[in-house]
Amino acid sequence: RKEVEQDPGPFNVPEGATVAFNCTYSNSASQSFFWYRQDCRKEPKLLMSVYSSGNEDGRFTAQLNRASQYISLLIRDSKLSDSATYLCVVNGDEQGTSYGKLTFGQGTILTVHP
Amino acid sequence: EPEVTQTPSHQVTQMGQEVILRCVPISNHLYFYWYRQILGQKVEFLVSFYNNEISEKSEIFDDQFSVERPDGSNFTLKIRSTKLEDSAMYFCASGQGSNQPQHFGDGTRLSIL
Repeated sequence: RKEVEQDPGPFNVPEGATVAFNCTYSNSASQSFFWYRQDCRKEPKLLMSVYSSGNEDGRFTAQLNRASQYISLLIRDSKLSDSATYLCVVNGDEQGTSYGKLTFGQGTILTVHP
Repeated sequence: EPEVTQTPSHQVTQMGQEVILRCVPISNHLYFYWYRQILGQKVEFLVSFYNNEISEKSEIFDDQFSVERPDGSNFTLKIRSTKLEDSAMYFCASGQGSNQPQHFGDGTRLSIL
């Protein structure tokens, strides 16, 4: 099983649409969780941290289910500028320690069209 | 907003040569990292560095690789004898704490000929 697995995509949606991405992780000892976005040939940029209670930042809502080892990201009212690859990222190793090693999913490509 | 800076943006080197990739992390961050991304593949962890020593490294980070924090601001990755398969984008990142979000530099594209 892959350490962090994401919807393969690509997702192709019109402006204004709502789109949801899912992610599962294999390491139950993982300690912190993030969504990053990556534009073509650029660095990963932090979109938001993900908390057990769920959290929202503007049009973006993230959810974490530790029991199912499942993370989601919901984007409402999609903009053209949301077009990017969305990376599900997990922190922590199998021993439950964390020196900050991030494990990345393969990413899901989102294209928002007019 | 403070940012992580990396130099050079692109490095072209002959196979077998040594390269040094440079990074200036965000000034109040304590944890420093290197990652790499081969074209078309996912971002992979190489090494974490805290309190002037390596705290964790991946299988990729073999004896050819080393890191150093030579002064209070720079953080370097050295590859001693480059191979073709070292061609990738190398990202430096830093964070305030080991569980805190990491902020990435804009990367060095390393091309080995």
